[in-house]
Amino acid sequence: AQTVTQSQPEMSVQEAETVTLSCTYDTSENNYYLFWYKQPPSRQMILVIRQEAYKQQNATENRFSVNFQKAAKSFSLKISDSQLGDTAMYFCAFITSGTYKYIFGTGTRLKVLA
Amino acid sequence: NAGVTQTPKFRVLKTGQSMTLLCAQDMNHEYMYWYRQDPGMGLRLIHYSVGEGTTAKGEVPDGYNVSRLKKQNFLLGLESAAPSQTSVYFCASSLPGVSGEKLFFGSGTQLSVL
Repeated sequence: AQTVTQSQPEMSVQEAETVTLSCTYDTSENNYYLFWYKQPPSRQMILVIRQEAYKQQNATENRFSVNFQKAAKSFSLKISDSQLGDTAMYFCAFITSGTYKYIFGTGTRLKVLA
Repeated sequence: NAGVTQTPKFRVLKTGQSMTLLCAQDMNHEYMYWYRQDPGMGLRLIHYSVGEGTTAKGEVPDGYNVSRLKKQNFLLGLESAAPSQTSVYFCASSLPGVSGEKLFFGSGTQLSVL
C-alpha cells in the first residue's frame, strides 16, 4: 500500500529562522508527483510546492524549497526566513502518474514565534 | 473566479438527521473528491468521481453516499448522521491525473453531530 508519513505532529520556529518539515512515502511506482499543501487557520488548502519524481532538481518557490531524495523516499520542506503568516498545518501528499488517488500525510502543525 | 464552492460552511446536526453537502466547481474538471479531516489523521478520502454519472468509494465510505449528476456538481449525503461523522469536510477537484495535477479545494464544511 502507498503511504505518506509525517513524523512531526508539531513544530515551532522563531521568526526569520529556517525550519524543515519531514515527509517520507512508500511506493513501488517510478513515476509520481509530490506536493506540500499549507492549511492556515482560515482552513483553506493552499498548494505550496510540487515536485515531479523524474526530475532530480529540487523544486523551489520563493522561501520554500524541498529536499527530494528519491532513493530514500524522502520529501522534506524547508521554509527559509520564516514569517508569522507561515503558521499553519502543512500536509505532504503524493499521487502516482496516471491515477486519481492523492495520498495525504497526517500533517505537521507549524507555529512561527515572534 | 469562484473555483470550488462548498455549501454550507457550518452545520450542526442531531444524531439520526440527514443532510447533503454541495460542492460546485466551475473549472470543467473531470475528477472530484470528498475528504474528511480529523485531528491527527490528515485527509481521508470518502468518495470520488472520475466523471459525470460515475462515483466510487474511497478509504472511509461507510455512512455516506454521493451523486454526480452534473459534471460541475458533486453531492455528499449523510442519511443518518452519527457523532463519529463530526469532522471538517473538504471537496476538491482536479484535471485527469496524467501529469500529477494539483488539487483545487473548497473552503471546507465544519459539521458537528450531537
